[in-house]
Amino acid sequence: KQEVTQIPAALSVPEGENLVLNCSFTDSAIYNLQWFRQDPGKGLTSLLLIQSSQREQTSGRLNASLDKSSGRSTLYIAASQPGDSATYLCAVRSSSNTGKLIFGQGTTLQVKP
Amino acid sequence: GAGVSQSPRYKVTKRGQDVALRCDPISGHVSLYWYRQALGQGPEFLTYFNYEAQQDKSGLPNDRFSAERPEGSISTLTIQRTEQRDSAMYRCASSFQQGAWDTQYFGPGTRLTVL
Repeated sequence: KQEVTQIPAALSVPEGENLVLNCSFTDSAIYNLQWFRQDPGKGLTSLLLIQSSQREQTSGRLNASLDKSSGRSTLYIAASQPGDSATYLCAVRSSSNTGKLIFGQGTTLQVKP
Repeated sequence: GAGVSQSPRYKVTKRGQDVALRCDPISGHVSLYWYRQALGQGPEFLTYFNYEAQQDKSGLPNDRFSAERPEGSISTLTIQRTEQRDSAMYRCASSFQQGAWDTQYFGPGTRLTVL
């Protein structure tokens, strides 16, 4: 059974710092992995999607990497801003036969001005 | 354009009552998903549809939970004889298809509280 774990559960950093969020999964046979952002009172917003054949994806100040063999993904946020404060969730999709996503418990990030 | 909408946004009910949660996906999206999220946890898969066909209901906790999407658009998640442990945020998502690059777009959720 696939399990997804995110460390740390919470993180507080000063504005401008570069930071890394970690995601690990127990079964390396994944189809793709996504990082989402969750803001209070709102839905989840997809940030980056990495296919199992890819090593990384970049969008603006965000860079997500994937090491399928070791069951790990990282989300790198450069030059953090207070507006980056949110909960970040990673989710894996195990096969092409299902759209089901398995989520980690999330990392809550606070960026202080 | 309009995103995924869910109604009601908040629902308070008494134990033993039935509740129906509605999801209106993005127009034209083939796939629709239901998740449940407890406080401090990530969403947990419940069920999903392609068009009107329920593809996977393995995440439904028990037979008190059911979902339908009769015309391949709006979906309803029904919980019968609610229990306090059913209290959670219920999230709906939709995607254009089930393809490799098709991301899921999430609605704001329905917060269910069972007293």
